[in-house]
Amino acid sequence: GEDVEQSLFLSVREGDSSVINCTYTDSSSTYLYWYKQEPGAGLQLLTYIFSNMDMKQDQRLTVLLNKKDKHLSLRIADTQTGDSAIYFCAESIRDDKIIFGKGTRLHILP
Amino acid sequence: DAMVIQNPRYQVTQFGKPVTLSCSQTLNHNVMYWYQQKSSQAPKLLFHYYDKDFNNEADTPDNFQSRRPNTSFCFLDIRSPGLGDAAMYLCATSRGTGAGRTEAFFGQGTRLTVV
Repeated sequence: GEDVEQSLFLSVREGDSSVINCTYTDSSSTYLYWYKQEPGAGLQLLTYIFSNMDMKQDQRLTVLLNKKDKHLSLRIADTQTGDSAIYFCAESIRDDKIIFGKGTRLHILP
Repeated sequence: DAMVIQNPRYQVTQFGKPVTLSCSQTLNHNVMYWYQQKSSQAPKLLFHYYDKDFNNEADTPDNFQSRRPNTSFCFLDIRSPGLGDAAMYLCATSRGTGAGRTEAFFGQGTRLTVV
């Protein structure tokens, strides 16, 4: 079946690193994505990783993929107040479909 | 410049009164999607078009219909909105490479209120 699971909330102090975790069930997923959603806005693609990679780094963002365990994580270094948002994990499966998790709300503490 | 544009941003409709949400894109992408997102839930795929080919999700209610008259535009029609249809509706597009890489570009969404 197709299912993407994430924890719903994460609180992090400004300047610390945030790590958002995700698990998925479809082993045929070829690409996995992280999207960011700010209040009242659509979804913004942050980064993606191909399923034959285990790590991707893009400035403050690091994506780790454990394909064996079907586990994906997003690390945000030096978390800033502007990083406060909901972060969605997503997988692309057959027929150009994209399936989303419920999102993790990241709250930044001063 | 906005690449996926949804109109209106906010829509209020009466219970049972048909409503249409619109989406346009300047990316010339093959695939257009409609997602429904309720509070604290994952965006749920309703259906998508690959060019003119319509792909309905098995659990999408018949109350929801879609039209894609050309590459640039796609419409979501809700024939008889119920209170449970109040949600954010997100339109997205992708190139649809068929190779599994499906970066979707989203519009700002239309928040639908049913009164």
